[in-house]
Amino acid sequence: LAKTTQPISMDSYEGQEVNITCSHNNIATNDYITWYQQFPSQGPRFIIQGYKTKVTNEVASLFIPADRKSSTLSLPRVSLSDTAVYYCLPLNTGFQKLVFGTGTRLLVSP
Amino acid sequence: SAVISQKPSRDICQRGTSLTIQCQVDSQVTMMFWYRQQPGQSLTLIATANQGSEATYESGFVIDKFPISRPNLTFSTLTVSNMSPEDSSIYLCSVGAGAGGYEQYFGPGTRLTVT
Repeated sequence: LAKTTQPISMDSYEGQEVNITCSHNNIATNDYITWYQQFPSQGPRFIIQGYKTKVTNEVASLFIPADRKSSTLSLPRVSLSDTAVYYCLPLNTGFQKLVFGTGTRLLVSP
Repeated sequence: SAVISQKPSRDICQRGTSLTIQCQVDSQVTMMFWYRQQPGQSLTLIATANQGSEATYESGFVIDKFPISRPNLTFSTLTVSNMSPEDSSIYLCSVGAGAGGYEQYFGPGTRLTVT
């Protein structure tokens, strides 16, 4: 079973940029890369998706190198409310191989 | 987007009993998924429940233990049967976005404790 790995935890301060990486060595040609945010006692919330290069929306950017074996979620100017667990999930349009990454616990301090 | 509710939000059950978790969506969706998330861990897919077909189970999960119903496009149930303490976990349902999207929308989860 393909393993999608992430750093266990990261610490940051308010106002800093945070970059969370995900390794997905076995990504398939048709797979997109999605990222989710999860707060305690809640279900994950979709943040962003991408296929290659760079994607930006109102909350984050997603960087994907040419080989697509990894991806980096970038959160600009984090605030205390960004403290959460972040998961990556490569998947295709058929929603097959739903194997979430190991998750990164981000702690933002004042 | 889709709004998803789950019932119950939490329950404490005795070993050997069964619990049925309900998942209700505010719109019609084809693809629905059931996950398990143990405390402090990532999500593990239990099964895919598409309306009009039998649920498809992932390795390590079997229909006798986790029977799923999908009677229509807005509702599904997951039953955890013959429970043991190892079944203590959070169970989440999600739906896949339509129109070629890749995002999933999740319910708030059901926290199950088996004593």
